[in-house]
Amino acid sequence: DVKVTQSSRYLVKRTGEKVFLECVQDMDHENMFWYRQDPGLGLRLIYFSYDVKMKEKGDIPEGYSVSREKKERFSLILESASTNQTSMYLCASSLSQVFLEAFFGQGTRLTVV
Amino acid sequence: DQQVKQNSPSLSVQEGRISILNCDYTNSMFDYFLWYKKYPAEGPTFLISISSIKDKNEDGRFTVFLNKSAKHLSLHIVPSQPGDSAVYFCAASARTGTYKYIFGTGTRLKVLA
Repeated sequence: DVKVTQSSRYLVKRTGEKVFLECVQDMDHENMFWYRQDPGLGLRLIYFSYDVKMKEKGDIPEGYSVSREKKERFSLILESASTNQTSMYLCASSLSQVFLEAFFGQGTRLTVV
Repeated sequence: DQQVKQNSPSLSVQEGRISILNCDYTNSMFDYFLWYKKYPAEGPTFLISISSIKDKNEDGRFTVFLNKSAKHLSLHIVPSQPGDSAVYFCAASARTGTYKYIFGTGTRLKVLA
C-alpha cells in the first residue's frame, strides 16, 4: 500500500512565522504535489515536483515555496504566514509517465492567528 | 480560470437510489479523469478513473461516464448508501507535460437513510 505521510494533522502558527509542512511518501514516486482545500474552491494546486530538486508552480504559488532534496520528501514552506493561509493542506504523490491515481496524505489543518 | 468545474455544490439522495455527480472541463488536452471521495479531516481517496479512449468505466457500485464531445463526465453510484456521504472531487490530467492533476470544486453528497 502506498503511504503518504504528512508530519502534522493540526498546526497553529502566528502571523509572520515561517512554517514548514513536511510530506513523505514510501513508493518511490517521481511526482509530488501540494494542494490546499478551501470551502467552495475545491483543491487548488500550489506547487508540484516531478523529480528531485525540480519544481513547478501550480495555480496559487504566491506566499509559498517548496523544497525537494530527496525523492521521498516534499516540503511546503510558508515564508511569512498570513491569516489567509489558514487552510487544509494536502500532499499527494504519483508515478510519472503512466496514468495512475495520485495518493494523498491525511492532510494538515493549518490555522494562522 | 476554472478548467474543471463541478456546478452542483451539494446533492441529497435517498438510500438505495442512484446518485449522479457531474463534472465539466474546458481543456481539450485532458485525457485522463479521476474521481476522489473525501471525508472531513481526511485526505481524498481514489474511487475510479477513466482514460479518454473509453466512454465508460465500471467498478462495483461506481460507474464513470465520459462524453468527450461535450467535455463532460459523470459519476453514478448505485445503490447509494449512507456511507457514501462525503465530498466528491473530479480531477483531470493531460498526457503531455508533467501529469499534474487539476481538481474541481467538489460536490457534497448526502445519502439519507
